Amino acid sequence: DGGITQSPKYLFRKEGQNVTLSCEQNLNHDAMYWYRQDPGQGLRLIYYSQIVNDFQKGDIAEGYSVSREKKESFPLTVTSAQKNPTAFYLCASSPRKVDPEAFFGQGTRLTVV
Amino acid sequence: GQNIDQPTEMTATEGAIVQINCTYQTSGFNGLFWYQQHAGEAPTFLSYNVLDGLEEKGRFSSFLSRSKGYSYLLLKELQMKDSASYLCAVRDSNYQLIWGAGTKLIIKP
Repeated sequence: DGGITQSPKYLFRKEGQNVTLSCEQNLNHDAMYWYRQDPGQGLRLIYYSQIVNDFQKGDIAEGYSVSREKKESFPLTVTSAQKNPTAFYLCASSPRKVDPEAFFGQGTRLTVV
Repeated sequence: GQNIDQPTEMTATEGAIVQINCTYQTSGFNGLFWYQQHAGEAPTFLSYNVLDGLEEKGRFSSFLSRSKGYSYLLLKELQMKDSASYLCAVRDSNYQLIWGAGTKLIIKP
């Protein structure tokens, strides 16, 4: 079955540690995105990539990093520089940036302890 | 700045009809989207409007007025499984999605 997979679903991290969230898609989509969702707020774009080996910062990129070495994979690293990392993180993909529909992964809930 | 406004929470009765409004102010417009999101899950695509008017898809319909910066999502014959958050998003001139905070819809028997 085609889809987009995020892992893990729940993640706990100690303050000061970096952590990497996985996102894999087998939909052959060119565009991939990382969003952060906090209670009472809309989704906010962290990073996006339209093609392999290229990515752009979104509205809240500070404290995060990404890579796009393969079309299928777009991992997000939450670094210790991110001041308030506890949130629900969503990965999405679309055939191209201009296509109307985005497909979302199940999300990763990150909690800093 | 860019913003999307929608009500925080709405309550409706099973079998009834509910309309969820969304108003927007964005830098350019390249389409408006509605997504459904159950608690703790991924958003799923419901509808896409780029021209004025009504788009109907089964029990769900979405309306757009670009001149008024306004859209609504209409849900008919409400079922308990429709209890979820409904997210409005607008794609701006750079094809970036600007998201509203979502409307939590509570369905009562």
